[in-house]
Amino acid sequence: AQKVTQAQTEISVVEKEDVTLDCVYETRDTTYYLFWYKQPPSGELVFLIRRNSFDEQNEISGRYSWNFQKSTSSFNFTITASQVVDSAVYFCALTNAGGTSYGKLTFGQGTILTVHP
Amino acid sequence: GAVVSQHPSRVICKSGTSVKIECRSLDFQATTMFWYRQFPKQSLMLMATSNEGSKATYEQGVEKDKFLINHASLTLSTLTVTSAHPEDSSFYICSASRGRLQETQYFGPGTRLLVL
Repeated sequence: AQKVTQAQTEISVVEKEDVTLDCVYETRDTTYYLFWYKQPPSGELVFLIRRNSFDEQNEISGRYSWNFQKSTSSFNFTITASQVVDSAVYFCALTNAGGTSYGKLTFGQGTILTVHP
Repeated sequence: GAVVSQHPSRVICKSGTSVKIECRSLDFQATTMFWYRQFPKQSLMLMATSNEGSKATYEQGVEKDKFLINHASLTLSTLTVTSAHPEDSSFYICSASRGRLQETQYFGPGTRLLVL
């Protein structure tokens, strides 16, 4: 069975602070994909990044960066110099690349990020 | 690219009526679409997987006669909540798969259903 754990239920920071959202996953599959989605107050889930299990390179996109470490089964997300517009719920998710549950996403519980001005 | 629309965005109905929610992939074809339900301050709960041209696969505990899913084309899936009751009030979100291995889901904006 697959499992995604986002231990931080809520995080509150002041604008311009850096913040890291943790994600730990469990899977028995050797090939899988990891995702981060952002859900602003409007409700729509916005795709941020996809990582496959064979690509452990860290990625940076503007103020966003992701640290994927298979050794610790973690896929953490860092926002540098946070802004009020970053306030949202962030979900980490996992899917395998085969089998009967192929394509199904297993979501973490979500982390509510509030950035204060 | 990868835009998914949902209609309506919000619906209020009386108990006992049926409500249809449409999910469309606007700029790509989606063999597989998914339907989720989300309660306030909770994560997404997968209800069913919708495959074009075949019957939907429902998750355990989801009543298939209550939540009818039709995936009539590669760009359209519909969810019908039949004989809705107040406990069906929720936020319903669809997604469509895209990618070389159909591994990435892109989500619609969601539909807020309130049953009075």
